[in-house]
Amino acid sequence: SAVISQKPSRDICQRGTSLTIQCQVDSQVTMMFWYRQQPGQSLTLIATANQGSEATYESGFVIDKFPISRPNLTFSTLTVSNMSPEDSSIYLCSVEADPLTEAFFGQGTRLTVV
Amino acid sequence: GENVEQHPSTLSVQEGDSAVIKCTYSDSASNYFPWYKQELGKGPQLIIDIRSNVGEKKDQRIAVTLNKTAKHFSLHITETQPEDSAVYFCAASPYNQGGKLIFGQGTELSVKP
Repeated sequence: SAVISQKPSRDICQRGTSLTIQCQVDSQVTMMFWYRQQPGQSLTLIATANQGSEATYESGFVIDKFPISRPNLTFSTLTVSNMSPEDSSIYLCSVEADPLTEAFFGQGTRLTVV
Repeated sequence: GENVEQHPSTLSVQEGDSAVIKCTYSDSASNYFPWYKQELGKGPQLIIDIRSNVGEKKDQRIAVTLNKTAKHFSLHITETQPEDSAVYFCAASPYNQGGKLIFGQGTELSVKP
């Protein structure tokens, strides 16, 4: 399975600011995804990070709020912009090493907005 | 779109007993059903998965069954141990992709020694 590293592991941020979360994989993967897990809740897919093109966002999530980059096959970033306390969640990176195979998750970034 | 319902939300068993968690899904096009275990402060860990062309899959103490007609699938853990205590999530993929998933609400399993 792929080894996924997320940075930072946690952060406390002021409302109105932005935070960029990094996801680094130890091998090239075909697909990368970003999920949000609100406190005590399940996981919700934010977007698919596409290598070399704009991310594909799920209903309820927009690029202005959650810009995503994926410059190569091992790295992606998610930015949470103009944060409010409602953005306090765990943000998780997920990868699918090969098409139609299982997905693995990073350890997550625990974000608290004050 | 796809909707996944998971029951129960909490489950407490004695060590050595079996635990069963059930999920139903709505989209008949879904064809991939993984189960994840999430321990406190960690990311979800894939423990077993099943595809729609298979009715049952087993890996040591863990098994998953799938009934496509009824649109439900279940996780079975036998001989439970305290280290099995965690939150378990089922998921379904209507996109034929392992990583693009719709998750259930989660089950908090507690195994008492």
